[in-house]
Amino acid sequence: KNQVEQSPQSLIILEGKNCTLQCNYTVSPFSNLRWYKQDTGRGPVSLTIMTFSENTKSNGRYTATLDADTKQSSLHITASQLSDSASYICVVSDRGSTLGRLYFGRGTQLTVWP
Amino acid sequence: EADIYQTPRYLVIGTGKKITLECSQTMGHDKMYWYQQDPGMELHLIHYSYGVNSTEKGDLSSESTVSRIRTEHFPLTLESARPSHTSQYLCASSAGTEVNYEQYFGPGTRLTVT
Repeated sequence: KNQVEQSPQSLIILEGKNCTLQCNYTVSPFSNLRWYKQDTGRGPVSLTIMTFSENTKSNGRYTATLDADTKQSSLHITASQLSDSASYICVVSDRGSTLGRLYFGRGTQLTVWP
Repeated sequence: EADIYQTPRYLVIGTGKKITLECSQTMGHDKMYWYQQDPGMELHLIHYSYGVNSTEKGDLSSESTVSRIRTEHFPLTLESARPSHTSQYLCASSAGTEVNYEQYFGPGTRLTVT
């Protein structure tokens, strides 16, 4: 069964600190992995997209890594800001159809305290 | 910021009422999607469309229906709302290239059926 599991479920950190969010998946065949940021009451916004051949990608203070062999990904946030408080969702796409089926994790709820 | 819009943003309605959730995008994308998301849970695909006059059901069974008469417009209709329909509904669109296509999400409609 294709699944995406994220940990931790929730995380509280102080402003300025770094943190790392984890994503494990069993989706096969693999096409790409995305990290989205979803603010409360808003739609998800893409942070990074990585294909099989990419093992790291950065977007400002966000750095995602991918290990396609172990089917694990992480999202590292550097020098956190209050505006980083959001749910971070890991999404994996398969190559099984023209649609490119997306499998969503439940997200990690990050809270940044001043 | 993606050019995809949803109205209304919030809707509280009584059981048995007919409702239509509007979604429109100005990016000229062929593919459009409707997702349902409950608090703390993953997004579930309920409908998608490859283009005008194309609609398909997603992975999660839904009593809603959709139509795609124009490229930019993808409304979702519930003929008779029930409390079990209470959820957040997210619309998305994509240009549709296979490997790295990006899905852009609207801000969502929070539906409460009393």
